[in-house]
Order: sequence, then structure tokens, then C-alpha cells
Amino acid sequence: GAGVSQSPRYKVAKRGQDVALRCDPISGHVSLFWYQQALGQGPEFLTYFQNEAQLDKSGLPSDRFFAERPEGSVSTLKIQRTQQEDSAVYLCASSLVVAGGPYQETQYFGPGTRLLVL
Amino acid sequence: TQLLEQSPQFLSIQEGENLTVYCNSSSVFSSLQWYRQEPGEGPVLLVTVVTGGEVKKLKRLTFQFGDARKDSSLHITAAQTGDTGLYLCAGGPSGTYKYIFGTGTRLKVLA
Repeated sequence: GAGVSQSPRYKVAKRGQDVALRCDPISGHVSLFWYQQALGQGPEFLTYFQNEAQLDKSGLPSDRFFAERPEGSVSTLKIQRTQQEDSAVYLCASSLVVAGGPYQETQYFGPGTRLLVL
Repeated sequence: TQLLEQSPQFLSIQEGENLTVYCNSSSVFSSLQWYRQEPGEGPVLLVTVVTGGEVKKLKRLTFQFGDARKDSSLHITAAQTGDTGLYLCAGGPSGTYKYIFGTGTRLKVLA
């Protein structure tokens, strides 16, 4: 079956441009996470959706970052006025069940979008 | 803030050697997971440990959750070149949606 897909796989942006990163989760998955991964580091949590509801956006680094999942399936992470420090891999993950319970659910990750801001 | 520190940060070994990777925190986690990530791909779940003191085996990989549920280890026996990758521990504080990844251990197994 199809896994989590992300597009584009690579994106080069000039400083100040807006970018939109897309995530197609596994069909039927309730939970969707966005992470930012710097080179050689572990992923850092950005935001969490349960269906179409954004329940946690505490990891978004600034108000230039915005995420949505309007119909509870596809999600878009938008970064406005990109800065060089935004350069990273942006990972999307989906999970069948809701998050926040005592037992950690399995997250299925996409391949990521590598963003380079010049 | 809950943090997960991994050690070592880098590890380069010969094929056939054994190794252990550690994941430590000052906070208690209800469960911890281990992932492996290869270049250009997202992390892939290896195992979830839930009970303090729990030991799980996955072929040549042995995972242990500390008794106090603050730490975990991954032991690889007779490493193979296919084990090369970035190993990540991760956990989510119960009752929250935020999921925390460790700092990562980059393993390279040489033929």
C-alpha cells in the first residue's frame, strides 16, 4: 500500500520567498505530525493535527510558519518570508490513532522535503 | 522541557563487532521508541518499549528500557554494513501531543 508521500522532495528558495510543502498521509490515518530536521540532528516537533483540528502548534518556530489540514487528509506547511535558518528537512508523519495517550503509537514517516534557502 | 540525550553521537566500527547506543533523560517517559533513518528517507520504527526493565529483541538488535523509564539502550550484535544509519530514540510525554526525538547516533559499519 501507499505510504506517506511529500512534495516537493527538494526546494530551493531565495530569502524572503514563500514556500508551501505538501504531505499526503496514509489514507484513514487520524494523526498527522510535522517535524523539522537539521543536518545530523534528530527531528524536532513542529505541529500536530487530529483529523482537521490543529491541536498543538507549540513547535512552530515563528509566526512565519503556518500549517493546515482542511479536510483531515492532505496537509500543507507554509513558510512565509523564508530565512536561511529555515533550511532543513521537513518531515511529515501520520498515525492511525490519536496521539497523547499513554502508549506511543507508530508513526509512519514520509521521505521529507529538503529546503534550502539562499 | 523533556530532552533525550543519545551517546555516542558518532560510531564507526568494523563488520562483526558489537555496539551499544544509549538514550538518557532526566524525565520519565511512559514509553520510548527506537527508529532508524537512512539518508534521504524518513525514520522507520524499530521497536516500542513500554514497561520499566523491559527487554525486546529484534534479530541481532536488543532493546532495553530502564527500570525507572528514564533511559533506554540499543545493543547490536555482530554488526553488518546494512545496519549503517542514524539511530534515534523518541518518546511522547503522556497527555501531550508533542513527540520528542533524541539527538541521534550516526552509525557506520565498515566492511
